[in-house]
Amino acid sequence: NAGVTQTPKFQVLKTGQSMTLQCAQDMNHEYMSWYRQDPGMGLRLIHYSVGAGITDQGEVPNGYNVSRSTTEDFPLRLLSAAPSQTSVYFCASSLTTHRRDTQYFGPGTRLTVL
Amino acid sequence: GIQVEQSPPDLILQEGANSTLRCNFSDSVNNLQWFHQNPWGQLINLFYIPSGTKQNGRLSATTVATERYSLLYISSSQTTDSGVYFCAVGSNTGNQFYFGTGTSLTVIP
Repeated sequence: NAGVTQTPKFQVLKTGQSMTLQCAQDMNHEYMSWYRQDPGMGLRLIHYSVGAGITDQGEVPNGYNVSRSTTEDFPLRLLSAAPSQTSVYFCASSLTTHRRDTQYFGPGTRLTVL
Repeated sequence: GIQVEQSPPDLILQEGANSTLRCNFSDSVNNLQWFHQNPWGQLINLFYIPSGTKQNGRLSATTVATERYSLLYISSSQTTDSGVYFCAVGSNTGNQFYFGTGTSLTVIP
């Protein structure tokens, strides 16, 4: 199993540009989520999904969209990038929604918005 | 949402020393996990421990759910233990997951 994969690893954007961060898992996990990590802070939940076709907002959803058309993929879209979105983004997945026991994290995407 | 507080924020240890990291949370939870973020940024799950005690080698964890705290014990620390340790909890209601701000551990040879 490749686990949770994220692309790209690094990205630099200009203010106003849009882009999609990719996340995929090959473990047939129901639950997938996106977090951002800023210096001195823990991870904050952006959006999550409890299964294909079902998504919901986390703590900090503004400026981001998600969709879940398949069990494996959960892309995160930045609609119009802002410097405040400079951060490290992590995707995570876990087997079930009910217990959400072990969460597996991808390697992260470091995004800089100029 | 649930507030998660971790202490201490920073910790410097000599190799071989023991340490205790604490996580307090503000509401009932059905999920509590400890993670280690290594110096390269990778997050690794250490324990899934919504209650009780678990041990894995030099690491052990205890969660007292009724008193809303969890402890992570590191014994005989090694330089490879360096990094940031995060506690994260899942609410009894809803599907969200909340992280603390972490404890940054540096182990000196």
